[in-house]
Amino acid sequence: GAVVSQHPSRVICKSGTSVKIECRSLDFQATTMFWYRQFPKQSLMLMATSNEGSKATYEQGVEKDKFLINHASLTLSTLTVTSAHPEDSSFYICSARDVQGFYNEQFFGPGTRLTVL
Amino acid sequence: AQKITQTQPGMFVQEKEAVTLDCTYDTSDQSYGLFWYKQPSSGEMIFLIYQGSYDEQNATEGRYSLNFQKARKSANLVISASQLGDSAMYFCAMRVPRNTPLVFGKGTRLSVIA
Repeated sequence: GAVVSQHPSRVICKSGTSVKIECRSLDFQATTMFWYRQFPKQSLMLMATSNEGSKATYEQGVEKDKFLINHASLTLSTLTVTSAHPEDSSFYICSARDVQGFYNEQFFGPGTRLTVL
Repeated sequence: AQKITQTQPGMFVQEKEAVTLDCTYDTSDQSYGLFWYKQPSSGEMIFLIYQGSYDEQNATEGRYSLNFQKARKSANLVISASQLGDSAMYFCAMRVPRNTPLVFGKGTRLSVIA
């Protein structure tokens, strides 16, 4: 299947700092990428849909100014957690859809575990 | 709006035996796709199997099969000959329509016992 990379895999930062997470589709072009958040022992919750060359669409309750999403190319989307606080600590997973794929399925990155001290 | 329900928070199965993980869904759309993903402790989401709403036959992928009962709106995952490496969280997901993001159920934690 298609490969999606995510960097960094783990980050620890101080409260008030900003953290950028990169999501790349390595062997296919992704016009649409998705960002999910997962708390321990819970399911994946969609945060936003990222479309190449346009503004991201955020789910209800997700702060746009807090979670900045940029999808500048067909293979790269970034999520920046601005002024991070301990409650932002979570597992963030990006996903990209391979529209050429047989099932048009979403492929997921390995996730980024963010810990805010 | 679409909804996925997984009623089994946790399941145990003996190694080499089969196990069924339940999934029911709710949607008013006629065209939809159902997916199962495995999430081991590492956190990566691994695609297992797909069933389209118009597929007449149940999907199979190796030891995984999907018991699709459209009238009952259920899409249960069957894992045959369980292995210790099957221990993980399993998520059922749905996509309606084609270009929208996946909606996930709450997941089932499967533990395989030697």
